[in-house]
Amino acid sequence: DAGVIQSPRHEVTEMGQEVTLRCKPISGHNSLFWYRQTMMRGLELLIYFNNNVPIDDSGMPEDRFSAKMPNASFSTLKIQPSEPRDSAVYFCASSLEAVNTEAFFGQGTRLTVV
Amino acid sequence: KQEVTQIPAALSVPEGENLVLNCSFTDSAIYNLQWFRQDPGKGLTSLLLIQSSQREQTSGRLNASLDKSSGRSTLYIAASQPGDSATYLCAVRNNYGQNFVFGPGTRLSVLP
Repeated sequence: DAGVIQSPRHEVTEMGQEVTLRCKPISGHNSLFWYRQTMMRGLELLIYFNNNVPIDDSGMPEDRFSAKMPNASFSTLKIQPSEPRDSAVYFCASSLEAVNTEAFFGQGTRLTVV
Repeated sequence: KQEVTQIPAALSVPEGENLVLNCSFTDSAIYNLQWFRQDPGKGLTSLLLIQSSQREQTSGRLNASLDKSSGRSTLYIAASQPGDSATYLCAVRNNYGQNFVFGPGTRLSVLP
């Protein structure tokens, strides 16, 4: 398996534009996580899906952020409208449904909002 | 609310030294603890996973221990090499919520 695949790797956009980040989890994994990493706050959980259903979205900063998982092999994180403070590295991770298993991370999407 | 801390924040050692990185967590109600490595500008690479019922795990030159009751884990790196230079993060998976809570990381530099 190629691991968790995220796209794009880098995104530069203007304030106010819509941004969509994409993630393909490892085949067979049932849990998917979106994290955001910044220098100030480290790694923060945004949302967690289990079997395509959002379980915990308490980390989603505000209504400008939304995430979907239409099927077991694809998830999106959308920011609309984007703001400069959204600039960060966004990571997607997946694991098997059983909680006693490793989480595997993608390479991340570096988002810059100017 | 689970909080994870890591000490030290940064560490610089000469090549060949054995070293210990520390991770502490406030709530012992965890399923497991996972150590990751992150190289600059890269994603996270899983190093070791310790289940809540386990005391330690080993992989090559790495050994991780877990004392759940005291809320502590250590990552021991034997015979450090310049290629070990990276940021090391620990994460605990709560048995409520089930997500991973990360520490801030320890930035390790191994000097040749």
